[in-house]
Amino acid sequence: DGGITQSPKYLFRKEGQNVTLSCEQNLNHDAMYWYRQDPGQGLRLIYYSQIVNDFQKGDIAEGYSVSREKKESFPLTVTSAQKNPTAFYLCASSRPSYNEQFFGPGTRLTVL
Amino acid sequence: AQKITQTQPGMFVQEKEAVTLDCTYDTSDPSYGLFWYKQPSSGEMIFLIYQGSYDQQNATEGRYSLNFQKARKSANLVISASQLGDSAMYFCAMRPPLGNTPLVFGKGTRLSVIA
Repeated sequence: DGGITQSPKYLFRKEGQNVTLSCEQNLNHDAMYWYRQDPGQGLRLIYYSQIVNDFQKGDIAEGYSVSREKKESFPLTVTSAQKNPTAFYLCASSRPSYNEQFFGPGTRLTVL
Repeated sequence: AQKITQTQPGMFVQEKEAVTLDCTYDTSDPSYGLFWYKQPSSGEMIFLIYQGSYDQQNATEGRYSLNFQKARKSANLVISASQLGDSAMYFCAMRPPLGNTPLVFGKGTRLSVIA
């Protein structure tokens, strides 16, 4: 079945450590996105990529980095520069001929 | 800039009743798309329904319908015959005119269905 996978579902890290969240899709979608969600809040855009080897900052890119070396993969690194990284992170993908964005199951990151 | 406003932080509905979740939007683009997503406690985002700005008819998908009032810039979600499994967060979102661009989300409405 086609879809988006994010791993792991739960992630714990110590403060000051970088951590990379995985996002893989087999939908052959060109565009991929990373969103952050805090409790009781909506989704805020971190980064997005419309094609391989290209990506743009979203509204809250500070303290995060991404890469897009393959069409299927769009990993997100949460760096130690991110002041409050504990949150729920959602990855999504889309292509122009479809209206919806497809979402992965999310990764819940807790920084201790 | 595009903006989505959901003014109802929480809503309660009796099982089998209909409920309307409000969404207003702001954009200067004539071409746009409006979405509703459901987010259960598990966290996944489930696509419910889509309305294009040039669509003449209101979108419907099973028990979900979108009450699209373009002049008022509103895109309310109507859920008919509510079920206990409808309890979740609901997000309204807007897509800019160009494809493969990020959605803009509202803050969401938490719907609780009461038996």
